[in-house]
Amino acid sequence: NAGVTQTPKFRILKIGQSMTLQCAQDMNHNYMYWYRQDPGMGLKLIYYSVGAGITDKGEVPNGYNVSRSTTEDFPLRLELAAPSQTSVYFCASSETSGNTIYFGEGSWLTVV
Amino acid sequence: QKEVEQNSGPLSVPEGAIASLNCTYSDRGSQSFFWYRQYSGKSPELIMSIYSNGDKEDGRFTAQLNKASQYVSLLIRDSQPSDSATYLCAVTTSGTYKYIFGTGTRLKVLA
Repeated sequence: NAGVTQTPKFRILKIGQSMTLQCAQDMNHNYMYWYRQDPGMGLKLIYYSVGAGITDKGEVPNGYNVSRSTTEDFPLRLELAAPSQTSVYFCASSETSGNTIYFGEGSWLTVV
Repeated sequence: QKEVEQNSGPLSVPEGAIASLNCTYSDRGSQSFFWYRQYSGKSPELIMSIYSNGDKEDGRFTAQLNKASQYVSLLIRDSQPSDSATYLCAVTTSGTYKYIFGTGTRLKVLA
C-alpha cells in the first residue's frame, strides 16, 4: 500500500539553485495538494490540483510551480531557491473535496 | 480571527487519564472535520473524521462536533505515552479544495 510517495526525503540546496520535488499517488485520487510546514506553524497550501491538467494557487505559491500531466503525479518545482523556502514539504491527495486527505512522508528541504 | 484555532499546549496528562483536545472554527459553512496526529519528524496521519453533530467513537478516540457553537473536540481515553504527539484539527467545506489546518496542540502523556 504505497499511498502517496514523495522524493527526495532530504535535500540541501544552494541559494539560486532549482529543483523538483516528486509526488505520486496510487489511489486514483482526483485532488492533490502541496503543503509546507514551518516549525511551530500550521500547514500552508502552496498549490493544488483537482485533476490532470488543472492546477491552481494556494496561500503561498510564490517561488514555486506545479504541473499535473497525469492523475498520479504532481511534481513541485522550486525556482531560484531562497532561504525562506527552507521547510518541510508535504504532498497530499484526496478522492474529492471534503474527503479525508492523505499525506506523503514529507520532504525536508534546506536552502543555504 | 484565525480560521481554525487550537491551543498550542503542551497539554500534559498522566498515563491512563483522558486527554481533551479542542478546536474552534470560524466558517459556519464548514462541513467536514478531521483530527490528524503528527509525531515529531513525521507526516500527519488521520485519527478521526466527523461530519455530523454529536459524538463519533473509534476505540480510545471520540470526536465531538457542535456546529452551532463551531467547535470540534477529540477525547483520548486511557492515554498512553505513545499518544504523545501534535494533534492537528482540519476543517473543510464540501465543494471546495480548501482544507484549513489549525497549528496543532502538543500532547504529552506522562508515564
